[in-house]
Amino acid sequence: DIQMTQSPSSLSASVGDRVTITCRASQSISRYLNWYQQKPGKAPKLLIYAASSLQSGVPSRFSGSGSGTDFTLTINSLQPEDFATYYCQQSYSTPRTFGQGTKLEIK
Amino acid sequence: EVQLVESGGGLVQPGGSLRLSCAASGFTFSTYWMSWVRQAPGKGLEWVANIKQDGSEKYYVDSVKGRFTISRDNAKNSLYLQMSSLRAEDTALYYCARDRALYCGGGTCYFSFDYWGQGTLVTVSS
Repeated sequence: DIQMTQSPSSLSASVGDRVTITCRASQSISRYLNWYQQKPGKAPKLLIYAASSLQSGVPSRFSGSGSGTDFTLTINSLQPEDFATYYCQQSYSTPRTFGQGTKLEIK
Repeated sequence: EVQLVESGGGLVQPGGSLRLSCAASGFTFSTYWMSWVRQAPGKGLEWVANIKQDGSEKYYVDSVKGRFTISRDNAKNSLYLQMSSLRAEDTALYYCARDRALYCGGGTCYFSFDYWGQGTLVTVSS
């Protein structure tokens, strides 16, 4: 199975900040990488697919990059509604595996 | 509007069985792969199983192989997860998710879970 490791596990930031979350795969997954946002008590929401494609309706302050084993999710100009937990997920092979999550908290 | 509504969760004793359902609407259900994803209380996300559009291919995470069965009824726009020999570690919120395939070529596609239900809670405890 492909292991997905996110860093950091938690992060404190302020409204207006730029933040970056990293995801590393245990083997090359090309660009088969998705990012999700989950708020407490809610289902996850797809933000980025195929490493860098923005899902419809997602604000442009979210962006993704990377290929192979190393990927990043960047949020520019953090908004209050962005404080949540973020997960990466590979769709290169079955089982589809997720990172452990990164909790983004208000500083 | 795409909607996925899960049902069937509840409290079950270890070794017991439960059948989850997911009612889909707002899209052509028969043209999409579908998945179940679970989340143990306070934990991260774990993909459980998925099924091809016509039900001809099914895949499972190792921890549920031989105990869980995914199925679908395209005439009823419904997805199911039959769970048996349940264990305490199966306790989780179970989400139904649409498994969208894009940029397909060379026998492979970029898959992502683009719509999720609200989840149904399964608790395995004596």
